[in-house]
Amino acid sequence: RKEVEQDPGPFNVPEGATVAFNCTYSNSASQSFFWYRQDCRKEPKLLMSVYSSGNEDGRFTAQLNRASQYISLLIRDSKLSDSATYLCVVNWSGGSYIPTFGRGTSLIVHP
Amino acid sequence: ETGVTQTPRHLVMGMTNKKSLKCEQHLGHNAMYWYKQSAKKPLELMFVYSLEERVENNSVPSRFSPECPNSSHLFLHLHTLQPEDSALYLCASSQGNGQSTEAFFGQGTRLTVV
Repeated sequence: RKEVEQDPGPFNVPEGATVAFNCTYSNSASQSFFWYRQDCRKEPKLLMSVYSSGNEDGRFTAQLNRASQYISLLIRDSKLSDSATYLCVVNWSGGSYIPTFGRGTSLIVHP
Repeated sequence: ETGVTQTPRHLVMGMTNKKSLKCEQHLGHNAMYWYKQSAKKPLELMFVYSLEERVENNSVPSRFSPECPNSSHLFLHLHTLQPEDSALYLCASSQGNGQSTEAFFGQGTRLTVV
């Protein structure tokens, strides 16, 4: 079975804090990895892709560890607007590359 | 219009009704997906179409019937649904044969079965 596991949280942090989320995946043949953000009652939207060498986009840093089959997302200097659910997504190849979603990690940033 | 468009945005239907959800993508993608998201639950993959062929059917009850007439359009036909089918139904598309491509979502149809 192809699974993606995330701690559902919620992570409740003050503004300015640094917070990290992890995600593990079971299918070693997984090919590509992403973090999505989903606001309440809205559709998921791509936050960033995750590359083998790790990548950074402003306050957000994503890391991939293929040997241990996990990916991480680090958010520095949290803002109130970062409050959302963060979804880990793994594409596995079953002929097509099918996105498999984790259950999401809820982040609440408070003043 | 660009991106992925779903209609209707909201739907209330009785258990004996028949209705259809529509999804249209203007991104030139060749794969389309239906997901179900119930309250407090993760996204559940329902169906996958690649190059207009169904490649994945995740043990979805037969009261849900997908249709993909071309690479830009995807439908989900609904009949004799149950109240527990009330959920947000999300359509997505991607370039299915590109391993690094992300999925783009429509805004979803919020379905209530009464």
